[in-house]
This record gives sequence, structure tokens and C-alpha cells, in this order.
Amino acid sequence: DTGVSQDPRHKITKRGQNVTFRCDPISEHNRLYWYRQTLGQGPEFLTYFQNEAQLEKSRLLSDRFSAERPKGSFSTLEIQRTEQGDSAMYLCASRPDHNEQFFGPGTRLTVL
Amino acid sequence: QQPVQSPQAVILREGEDAVINCSSSKALYSVHWYRQKHGEAPVFLMILLKGGEQKGHEKISASFNEKKQQSSLYLTASQLSYSGTYFCGTALTGNQFYFGTGTSLTVIP
Repeated sequence: DTGVSQDPRHKITKRGQNVTFRCDPISEHNRLYWYRQTLGQGPEFLTYFQNEAQLEKSRLLSDRFSAERPKGSFSTLEIQRTEQGDSAMYLCASRPDHNEQFFGPGTRLTVL
Repeated sequence: QQPVQSPQAVILREGEDAVINCSSSKALYSVHWYRQKHGEAPVFLMILLKGGEQKGHEKISASFNEKKQQSSLYLTASQLSYSGTYFCGTALTGNQFYFGTGTSLTVIP
């Protein structure tokens, strides 16, 4: 257990539905990342927060994806109008300045 | 922009050594190494910073050649627990962090 938690751990949804995932980072870590990982691939960067500010967002991220980190604590990732191609493991990681990232256990999304 | 790793896969017998390479087409300022076991999240192994500073695992070492934009991870006297997929990673542009293509390592008795 790295100290980073994610909820839910598994989510099954029907195509077209909206889903929201939550990440609780290690409390003193001001930096937070969201990644998506599909089978056999490495984690793919989605977005980055420093405190409450979303400083980076992947160009691959469609408008259906949005993320927030109110008050610089927990973060949420929402996917609207889910598609089958959104099925993946969604990973959250936090870190202090210039150090390693601590990953949460991930949320596995299955879109039927 | 994704760093390229080689080999893609390697099988070792317990006690053997392995080297995993990571190459980038863009300048590297730091390189991270992570190991991921099946169904689990990546776990930090090592970070190498420009200038030679290293932080990480006691039994795993790594090198970082800034001029060649390459890093290598050295696994010596491999143990069964070393099995997994190894990823290098770096922040190539701003705060976007890119993981490499991955190397699957299997250690057999």
C-alpha cells in the first residue's frame, strides 16, 4: 500500500453512461497525475495537477474527459458518454517535488 | 515522444543478470524506472537525475547517459521476485510524463 487510494476499484458501465473516479493522494504531495493503461501497454499520461491547478492535459484526451482537484486534495476524473474504447485501467499517482511517483491501485473500467 | 525500451522481453534463470535499455529522441533531464507486476500498479525502483545523482533500490543499479539520451537498468543475480514489466519514464515536455514501451522480464527457477 503506497498511501494513494482510488475508488472504485472496478466499474462496469454501459456505453453512453457517465462515470466518475476518485483519487486520494498522499496528503503532503502537491503533484498529482492521472494515467490510462490498456493491456500490454505502459501507462499513458492524461493530466497533471500541481495543487489545485490543472497544468497539463494530454492532447489525446477528448472533451469527454474532465478532471478536477478542488482545494488541492483529492482528485476526480469524469468520463462522459463512455465508449467501449474507454475500457482500461485508470491510474492515479502523487508525488512531492522532484521525486518518485506513488501509484494508487487503479480503477478498472469496463464499458459494455 | 514515448521512450523506446529494449529488449521487449527477456527470460532469465535465477541468478542471471539482465540489462534493460531506454532511449529517447528528446533530451532527458531525469529518468525514472518502475516495475509493474501483473494486475498491480507500477512501483518505483530508481530515479536518475542530470548530474549523476541517483536515488533508489539497493539491489538494482542504473546508468544515465545525458548526451546519448539513454538510460540502462542493471539487474544482477536476479530473483524470482524480479519478474514483471519494467518501464522507464521521463518528463519530456513540461509536466507531461511519458512511460517507455516496457520490457517484460521473467525469472525462472
